[in-house]
Amino acid sequence: KAGVTQTPRYLIKTRGQQVTLSCSPISGHRSVSWYQQTPGQGLQFLFEYFSETQRNKGNFPGRFSGRQFSNSRSEMNVSTLELGDSALYLCASSLEEVGTEAFFGQGTRLTVV
Amino acid sequence: GESVGLHLPTLSVQEGDNSIINCAYSNSASDYFIWYKQESGKGPQFIIDIRSNMDKRQGQRVTVLLNKTVKHLSLQIAATQPGDSAVYFCAEIPYGQNFVFGPGTRLSVLP
Repeated sequence: KAGVTQTPRYLIKTRGQQVTLSCSPISGHRSVSWYQQTPGQGLQFLFEYFSETQRNKGNFPGRFSGRQFSNSRSEMNVSTLELGDSALYLCASSLEEVGTEAFFGQGTRLTVV
Repeated sequence: GESVGLHLPTLSVQEGDNSIINCAYSNSASDYFIWYKQESGKGPQFIIDIRSNMDKRQGQRVTVLLNKTVKHLSLQIAATQPGDSAVYFCAEIPYGQNFVFGPGTRLSVLP
């Protein structure tokens, strides 16, 4: 069975631009969570979607947003990019609710210059 | 490969020895815990999980121990191999909330 797929793998953007990242969960999984990973802050939770509804949100500014489609695929968007947004963005999918085993994708490496 | 963390605590073990990686968690309401392994350039990979009603769980070459009294979690890897070299994260999940990850420990396996 295919794993979690994130596209693109690498991105370079300029300050002030916006970016959209995509995540396709494991087939049958309905929960998708997004995380930001940086050397200084580690892995930090951004938000979680379940059946097209945002169920939980981490402590990130409103420039970070996301959505989930009816096929469970999810996108996250970052507007007005800042240098500090450079990070590895990871997506994880779970079969059902929070508190069950989550499988991660390879991540999207975003560099803001 | 990409650097997961520049200043992570590092554990160095000889190939064939057992490794013990420790994690202190913060929320006494956490009722589910997972250990993940992250190799350079890859996303975290599930290793083993444990619920709060257990104090020990074994997998293939790995054992997780949970001590709720002191809010401590450990991962034991038997007969450590070069392929075990990676950064290991513990994650705690309070009921109804999302994952909170620890800072990670870099495991380095020496030949």
